[in-house]
Amino acid sequence: GQQVMQIPQYQHVQEGEDFTTYCNSSTTLSNIQWYKQRPGGHPVFLIQLVKSGEVKKQKRLTFQFGEAKKNSSLHITATQTTDVGTYFCAGHRYDKIIFGKGTRLHILP
Amino acid sequence: GAGVSQSPSNKVTEKGKDVELRCDPISGHTALYWYRQRLGQGLEFLIYFQGNSAPDKSGLPSDRFSAERTGESVSTLTIQRTQQEDSAVYLCASSLIHSSYNEQFFGPGTRLTVL
Repeated sequence: GQQVMQIPQYQHVQEGEDFTTYCNSSTTLSNIQWYKQRPGGHPVFLIQLVKSGEVKKQKRLTFQFGEAKKNSSLHITATQTTDVGTYFCAGHRYDKIIFGKGTRLHILP
Repeated sequence: GAGVSQSPSNKVTEKGKDVELRCDPISGHTALYWYRQRLGQGLEFLIYFQGNSAPDKSGLPSDRFSAERTGESVSTLTIQRTQQEDSAVYLCASSLIHSSYNEQFFGPGTRLTVL
């Protein structure tokens, strides 16, 4: 069946360092969404990527969708303590939405 | 309402009891989703409703789990004969319609603890 794998599962970085999480699908996706869940909170939508090779930026966050529409990444430049949380990708194919297991980001002060 | 609401926020029950969890979606949202999130884990899809269409129940883990939705309003998730492995946060989300291109708005979740 369709799978969306997300790596790494955990990441500890020093404040100010960069962070990247990767999302890989076993099948071509129609689009991909990214969500952030703060500790103790619920997932909140960040962005959606639709086009092959698409790149979108939100301040220090850069999102990419692979040319084959099977892979995506989220890169955070110069992490801050407010970036703490779990980042989920959600791959969409036909009528199905599959969430990755998330990457938990921990910032060391 | 301003957002998706869920009740109760916390539920502690004894093994073998039935529980009902409630979700109030954003007004006007026709699609409604239930997810389960075990401690430190990802989102496990359970079921979704789209308007008056038959729900997609493909994620329900066993026949102890069921959900209902009246029209485009409130939904209840029922777990019968609860087991300790059912302990998790149950998240509800809604979107305008069930489409790849619509973001989901999540509620705060119900934390279920089965003793």
